[in-house]
Amino acid sequence: GAVVSQHPSWVICKSGTSVKIECRSLDFQATTMFWYRQFPKQSLMLMATSNEGSKATYEQGVEKDKFLINHASLTLSTLTVTSAHPEDSSFYICSASRLAGGFDEQYFGPGTRLTVT
Amino acid sequence: GENVEQHPSTLSVQEGDSAVIKCTYSDSASNYFPWYKQELGKGPQLIIDIRSNVGEKKDQRIAVTLNKTAKHFSLHITETQPEDSAVYFCAASKGQGGKLIFGQGTELSVKP
Repeated sequence: GAVVSQHPSWVICKSGTSVKIECRSLDFQATTMFWYRQFPKQSLMLMATSNEGSKATYEQGVEKDKFLINHASLTLSTLTVTSAHPEDSSFYICSASRLAGGFDEQYFGPGTRLTVT
Repeated sequence: GENVEQHPSTLSVQEGDSAVIKCTYSDSASNYFPWYKQELGKGPQLIIDIRSNVGEKKDQRIAVTLNKTAKHFSLHITETQPEDSAVYFCAASKGQGGKLIFGQGTELSVKP
């Protein structure tokens, strides 16, 4: 149990275009979903926290107008990178949390490799 | 602010040896400590976690210990195998609704 999927697994887009990444919890309803960004050989950087039906909470320094998050249901969250530029190229990973024994266990998706040319 | 320090950054062991990765957290309110394994090009996989009301937890070759007084927690892998080679991340959170604060990661290499 506790499987999280992401789509697409990789995407190449041209500078100035927008890209949408989907995150789904396949076998559980997530209390919260999170979006992370990871650069090579670095730790995960939290971008935003998202709850179903409410606005996402963005971390300091993350542009909310550039990284649009929609949390449509308890099993689906999307991240749209708007007007993408080469510096947005990165590995984007989502996670979904499941309440277990009073604690939120976070399960991660397989990640999406974004390359902006 | 909240911080998690992880050591070492790289660790190389011979197959069959044990590996230990240590983390220190700053926020005494933290009460949930998961460990993740990340293979190249993949998302992190939850391998074990420990809650603040427990001092030690074991799952086959993997064990985690927690010292709340010292704000330390450690991952122990025994009888290491080449497939254990990956980057391991520790994390800490304040439980329900809390975001994870990650350590810097440890690249473990198990040589056959």
